[in-house]
Amino acid sequence: SAVISQKPSRDICQRGTSLTIQCQVDSQVTMMFWYRQQPGQSLTLIATANQGSEATYESGFVIDKFPISRPNLTFSTLTVSNMSPEDSSIYLCSVITGQGSQPQHFGDGTRLSIL
Amino acid sequence: GENVEQHPSTLSVQEGDSAVIKCTYSDSASNYFPWYKQELGKRPQLIIDIRSNVGEKKDQRIAVTLNKTAKHFSLHITETQPEDSAVYFCAARPGGSYIPTFGRGTSLIVHP
Repeated sequence: SAVISQKPSRDICQRGTSLTIQCQVDSQVTMMFWYRQQPGQSLTLIATANQGSEATYESGFVIDKFPISRPNLTFSTLTVSNMSPEDSSIYLCSVITGQGSQPQHFGDGTRLSIL
Repeated sequence: GENVEQHPSTLSVQEGDSAVIKCTYSDSASNYFPWYKQELGKRPQLIIDIRSNVGEKKDQRIAVTLNKTAKHFSLHITETQPEDSAVYFCAARPGGSYIPTFGRGTSLIVHP
């Protein structure tokens, strides 16, 4: 399966600041997603990153708070804007390679703490 | 939309025992059911998956069963080992969609 690299692996940020998380895959992928996993919780989809166009956001997530870019088939960024302690979470990049009913694979995640 | 219920939320077993985690789904259009294992501080990793045209699938000590009529699927781990301790997530994905719905997770603890 594809190798998914996320940076940074963790960070501690001040409230009101923004952080950009990068996701790099070693091969072209069909789909890229961003998930949030709050402590002890399940995986919540933030958005689907679309190559060359605006991301598709799930209910409860908006572009102003979580702007996403995907300039090509192997790279995407998620920005967490104007952070508050409630944004403390793990943010995970996920990809699907190939067509049809292919499985989804996850990066190692970015552990974000907001003070 | 799809709704996936997962039980139990916590499962504690002795090493060598079997463990069973059960999930139900609501959307009859779902046709792909993956299971992920997430160790503490690590990424969710796909351990086994099943498609709706199959009733059971095995991979060494792990098996998954699917009952489409009842809309439930289960993960079975035999001869559990301490390294099986992790959180397990089930998911259901409708045909034509790339996006699965995840269950809430089961924390499996295997005592040596």
